[in-house]
Amino acid sequence: NAGVTQTPKFQVLKTGQSMTLQCAQDMNHNSMYWYRQDPGMGLRLIYYSASEGTTDKGEVPNGYNVSRLNKREFSLRLESAAPSQTSVYFCASSEWGRGTEAFFGQGTRLTVV
Amino acid sequence: RKEVEQDPGPFNVPEGATVAFNCTYSNSASQSFFWYRQDCRKEPKLLMSVYSSGNEDGRFTAQLNRASQYISLLIRDSKLSDSATYLCVVIASGSARQLTFGSGTQLTVLP
Repeated sequence: NAGVTQTPKFQVLKTGQSMTLQCAQDMNHNSMYWYRQDPGMGLRLIYYSASEGTTDKGEVPNGYNVSRLNKREFSLRLESAAPSQTSVYFCASSEWGRGTEAFFGQGTRLTVV
Repeated sequence: RKEVEQDPGPFNVPEGATVAFNCTYSNSASQSFFWYRQDCRKEPKLLMSVYSSGNEDGRFTAQLNRASQYISLLIRDSKLSDSATYLCVVIASGSARQLTFGSGTQLTVLP
C-alpha cells in the first residue's frame, strides 16, 4: 500500500550541483504535482502534469525541470542548485473528478549550501 | 493578493475548546475545496472535502460560502491530537486540477 513514494528523503547539495528528485505513485492517477514548502509560505506549485505526456509550469518553476516518464513516475530536476532552493519538496498525485483527494509523498528535505 | 489566504495563527486553545478557522479565495471560478491537515515535518493529508451545503465529520464541520468566497472549519471539543497545521486547499476549474494551498493555520491544543 505504497501510495506516493519520493526519494531521497534528505539531501545536501553544494551550490551549482545538480540532482533529480524521484516520485512514483501506484494509484493509477492521471495528475501529478511537485510542490515546495517554505516556512510561512505554504505549499507552492512548481510544476504539474495533468496526464502522461504533458507538463506545465506552476507558480514557481524557475530553476527546475520535470519529466513525466510514464503514468507512474514524475521527476523534478535541479540543474544548478542555489541556496534559495533550500526547501521541503513534496510530490503529489490525484485523479480526475470533483472532490478527489490528492495524496502526497513523505517529502524531500533539501539543503543547498 | 494571494489566491488563498488563511490566518496563520498560531491558535493556542485548551483541551475541549471549540476553534474555528477561516480561509478566503480570490478565484471565483474555483470549484473544489478541501481542508488538509499537516503534522510537524510530515506530508499533508486530507481532513475533509468542503461541500456547498456544508458537511460534518464527527467533531469537524466545514462550510463554504461561495458568495463571499470563504471556507471555514470548526473543530469542537478539541483534543491534544488535533494539534497540527490546517491547510485550506482550492481547485480552480479547468483540466489541470491544480491544487492551490493557503499558507496554513497552526493549532496547538493545550492540556
